[in-house]
Amino acid sequence: QKEVEQDPGPLSVPEGAIVSLNCTYSNSAFQYFMWYRQYSRKGPELLMYTYSSGNKEDGRFTAQVDKSSKYISLFIRDSQPSDSATYLCAMSEGGGATNKLIFGTGTLLAVQP
Amino acid sequence: NAGVTQTPKFQVLKTGQSMTLQCAQDMNHEYMSWYRQDPGMGLRLIHYSVGAGITDQGEVPNGYNVSRSTTEDFPLRLLSAAPSQTSVYFCASSYSPGTGLEKLFFGSGTQLSVL
Repeated sequence: QKEVEQDPGPLSVPEGAIVSLNCTYSNSAFQYFMWYRQYSRKGPELLMYTYSSGNKEDGRFTAQVDKSSKYISLFIRDSQPSDSATYLCAMSEGGGATNKLIFGTGTLLAVQP
Repeated sequence: NAGVTQTPKFQVLKTGQSMTLQCAQDMNHEYMSWYRQDPGMGLRLIHYSVGAGITDQGEVPNGYNVSRSTTEDFPLRLLSAAPSQTSVYFCASSYSPGTGLEKLFFGSGTQLSVL
């Protein structure tokens, strides 16, 4: 079983829809949770960053962490065609450079105009 | 700032050939790393470095070598290419250890095919 599980999709939604992307994990020591966005043939870029449990909002994006359920989510409100990309969750135990990020396999999102 | 620059963008090798993937960053980041991205496998860490002269293995280091002689550069060497090394390779960097580690800055990738 992988440490981080993510539904690969693809997920296709109409423009303006609310999108929910999710990851589950098995390592209870994870403290740092991230979402990266990757456009086709580009490198990932950091979208959201959350420490421990709770919610974080940035414009149309909201990241949620539920450590009791080992479950994280990314919500995109009023989705736009420019949001079409692969979304990767990532997490780490923290504590310095020797702690490594574990990535999910990514969910491919297509927002139809 | 150029950020993280990778060269080449595309490369085709024959089995047994060697080559070096170049990575340079101009953000004065201490931490640099190499990942490979394969369908269904996600991003997997190959090697990483926490500063000039210091390197360590990641999850999938076999068949790859790295060195870090300067803060800016972190080349990845394939010693004897194998078809299993066909992948997209990403270099990433970050600020020094601590809360900055997780905020990785990625290059645009090198697509490598080994025939």
